[in-house]
Amino acid sequence: DAGVIQSPRHEVTEMGQEVTLRCKPISGHDYLFWYRQTMMRGLELLIYFNNNVPIDDSGMPEDRFSAKMPNASFSTLKIQPSEPRDSAVYFCASSPPGSNYGYTFGSGTRLTVV
Amino acid sequence: AQSVSQHNHHVILSEAASLELGCNYSYGGTVNLFWYVQYPGQHLQLLLKYFSGDPLVKGIKGFEAEFIKSKFSFNLRKPSVQWSDTAEYFCAVESKSSGDKLTFGTGTRLAVRP
Repeated sequence: DAGVIQSPRHEVTEMGQEVTLRCKPISGHDYLFWYRQTMMRGLELLIYFNNNVPIDDSGMPEDRFSAKMPNASFSTLKIQPSEPRDSAVYFCASSPPGSNYGYTFGSGTRLTVV
Repeated sequence: AQSVSQHNHHVILSEAASLELGCNYSYGGTVNLFWYVQYPGQHLQLLLKYFSGDPLVKGIKGFEAEFIKSKFSFNLRKPSVQWSDTAEYFCAVESKSSGDKLTFGTGTRLAVRP
């Protein structure tokens, strides 16, 4: 099992540009989560999906952020336009059906907006 | 509001010292409890979890945690820390009232001096 795979590992972009972060969850996991981690705010849940359907997007900071999960093996988090305050590490995590298992996290994407 | 509290934000210990990191939650009902560890520059990894049975849970690398329901606590302990335990530690709670998603505490940064 390759685990949760995120790409790219690092992204540096200029303010105003569109950024797309990608995540492949573990096969068989039907929950997928997007988190953002910064020094100031810690770990924040942005959005999560169950069976490809967005369940709670209340953590998405503003309309510049959007997330999709077109199928069970792929999700994207898009920021358009990006701003310097979006600089953070973005983690994707997945979880199998039922509770008690916790989440498996990907290695994260370190985003720097200059 | 329901929350997870980690009161120790930064802890500095010398090698071989004993460790206890506090975690308190405010959810009612049945909860599943987790501790995650994040080594410098890495993603979150599951350290241990509790969902039923013996309230004293043993995890990897000599860590353990005790669930005390009456105190709404799930403190993490290790009898003798090593330099390699330097990391950030996150407590997380899952409950029906949280929509079956994990809510993370703000984390505790542990630095172990050699």
